Amino acid sequence: RKEVEQDPGPFNVPEGATVAFNCTYSNSASQSFFWYRQDCRKEPKLLMSVYSSGNEDGRFTAQLNRASQYISLLIRDSKLSDSATYLCVVSYQSGGSYIPTFGRGTSLIVHP
Amino acid sequence: NAGVMQNPRHLVRRRGQEARLRCSPMKGHSHVYWYRQLPEEGLKFMVYLQKENIIDESGMPKERFSAEFPKEGPSILRIQQVVRGDSAAYFCASSPMEGNTEAFFGQGTRLTVV
Repeated sequence: RKEVEQDPGPFNVPEGATVAFNCTYSNSASQSFFWYRQDCRKEPKLLMSVYSSGNEDGRFTAQLNRASQYISLLIRDSKLSDSATYLCVVSYQSGGSYIPTFGRGTSLIVHP
Repeated sequence: NAGVMQNPRHLVRRRGQEARLRCSPMKGHSHVYWYRQLPEEGLKFMVYLQKENIIDESGMPKERFSAEFPKEGPSILRIQQVVRGDSAAYFCASSPMEGNTEAFFGQGTRLTVV
């Protein structure tokens, strides 16, 4: 199965900081891209989809660079509640089916 | 609209016993994915099913593990003769279409083998 690579971190930032995560993927034929958030011992929850044109949702901005095969997530004005693991997800076509494939996640710790 | 329901939430089995994990997808979703997450690890794909069909099981161990998604009822992940290394969180996700759309996760089943 193709790989999705993320820096595991942890990223340790103060409240109010801006932090950026990157994710690289190896299959140029990948179709769909997402960022999920996972809190400790909980299920992953969709944070946002990632489009070629980029998309923004409040303090969160996601970008996709197909040429370089990486995805980014920018979090502005970090809150304590942003502390979590952020999972990069890429859907690969495998044997005719699309399988959401997860990176190991990047840990974010926001401190007062 | 209830979310993805998994049960049990916690399951303790002795070595050699069988574990059965259940997943009911969201209403209207016919695509189910099972993932395993070991402590401090990422989610590893195990199997992708549609109603009555296994579409991709490339992530499933060749022995002791099986999955089904019958016409009626939940999807079942079955682990026979469990070993300590099977201890993990098992997450099920469902989507209305194939994996090029977002998947919604259940709360997971935490299996502990003693």
